[in-house]
Amino acid sequence: NAGVMQNPRHLVRRRGQEARLRCSPVKGHSHVYWYRQLPEEGLKFMVYLQKENIIDESGMPKERFSAEFPKEGPSILRIQQVVRGDSAAYFCASSLRGRTGAGYQPQHFGDGTRLSIL
Amino acid sequence: AQKITQTQPGMFVQEKEAVTLDCTYDTSDPSYGLFWYKQPSSGEMIFLIYQGSYDQQNATEGRYSLNFQKARKSANLVISASQLGDSAMYFCAMRDDNTGANSKLTFGKGITLSVRP
Repeated sequence: NAGVMQNPRHLVRRRGQEARLRCSPVKGHSHVYWYRQLPEEGLKFMVYLQKENIIDESGMPKERFSAEFPKEGPSILRIQQVVRGDSAAYFCASSLRGRTGAGYQPQHFGDGTRLSIL
Repeated sequence: AQKITQTQPGMFVQEKEAVTLDCTYDTSDPSYGLFWYKQPSSGEMIFLIYQGSYDQQNATEGRYSLNFQKARKSANLVISASQLGDSAMYFCAMRDDNTGANSKLTFGKGITLSVRP
C-alpha cells in the first residue's frame, strides 16, 4: 500500500503528557497537510507543510501545537501538555503539488490517529 | 473566507436507488475546486470526486456524479444504484485554486447516509 501512512492508529495520553503523531506521505508527494476532526464534526485545517517549510499554519492553536516535515523522515505533529479538549481524530493528507497545474491535485488522506486524553 | 454548508439530516436510501447529497458553498474566489470525500465507520477518508469551478461539464466517477450549479453555488453529489457499502458519512470540501494561494481544504460538517437492504 503506497498511500499515506499514519501512526499510531490510536494513541492514549494522560493530561500533561506529550503526543507525537507521525505521517509518511505518498511516495513522491512533497506537500503535507494536517487536519483535526472533533466528534460529529467535519475536518478542520491545521497546517500545511512542504519539506522543511511551514507554508500555512493559520489553523494551528497558538500554544502547545507544532508541526514539522523534515528533509528526511515523516511529518510530525506534536502536542505538548495535552488536555482533554485535544481528544480528536488527526488526519494527515499529502499531494503532489500544492496548487493546480496541468490538472487538479487531490489530497490523499491517511487513516488518521485517534487521540484520547485520560 | 470559504464556507461549506451541509444541512441535511441523516439520509436514508433503498439499495439500488439513487440518492442526492446536498452541498452549498460560499466563496469570493474566482477559481476554486470542490471535492467529495466518504468516511465509513472505520474512519478513513476516501476521495470520491472533484469539480473545478471552470469545468464546463459536471464531473462523473463511476456511480458518483456531481451536480454543479455555479450560479446557485451548489455542488450536490449523486450516487446512483446505491449499495450497502455506501453507508457512510459524506463530506463536501472546497479549495481555493488561485495561483499563489495555499491549498487547504475547507470541509462541511458532513451528511450521514444509510443504505437499506
